[in-house]
Amino acid sequence: GQNIDQPTEMTATEGAIVQINCTYQTSGFNGLFWYQQHAGEAPTFLSYNVLDGLEEKGRFSSFLSRSKGYSYLLLKELQMKDSASYLCAVRDQDYQLIWGAGTKLIIKP
Amino acid sequence: GAVVSQHPSWVICKSGTSVKIECRSLDFQATTMFWYRQFPKQSLMLMATSNEGSKATYEQGVEKDKFLINHASLTLSTLTVTSAHPEDSSFYICSAISFLTERGPQETQYFGPGTRLLVL
Repeated sequence: GQNIDQPTEMTATEGAIVQINCTYQTSGFNGLFWYQQHAGEAPTFLSYNVLDGLEEKGRFSSFLSRSKGYSYLLLKELQMKDSASYLCAVRDQDYQLIWGAGTKLIIKP
Repeated sequence: GAVVSQHPSWVICKSGTSVKIECRSLDFQATTMFWYRQFPKQSLMLMATSNEGSKATYEQGVEKDKFLINHASLTLSTLTVTSAHPEDSSFYICSAISFLTERGPQETQYFGPGTRLLVL
């Protein structure tokens, strides 16, 4: 079966750095997405990785290793507004998106 | 960047009524749109893939006669929840794929703001 694993919840301190991991087992691979979702709102796009390596975008970076079936989202200089759920999704060989359950990130002052 | 809108954002209705939710891509054409539902504290669940000019493709377990999807144009898809019941109360989110971003050609899925449905 197809599976996406993320930690359920993480806690970090304002101003610090946090890394949210995502491992996947899917039928084929056509890209990995990270989305941010605040409570009660729809997800917003953060990043897209299809090749191995690190993609940096301001305070957020996303890394992919296809051979390991692994990705992480790195958030730097954490702000209180970064408190949200972070969803990892993988597009499989049929171009279907397989969603992780999301990681709830709690930022403390 | 690409923008997807949904209307309405909130719906409260009586059991047995039908509710229509609109999803529009505002600054790009979307041949394919997706409809999701999300229950509290759960991840997104794909309901169906909406294709312009053809029938929608429904996921297993989703009743196509219950959730009617019409993709009438390249910028508009509608989801109609027919004879809604309390168990249909949920957060319904649509998304559309844009093939161009500010970083150049890149396929990205953009989400609408969601529609919260409460059936009494």
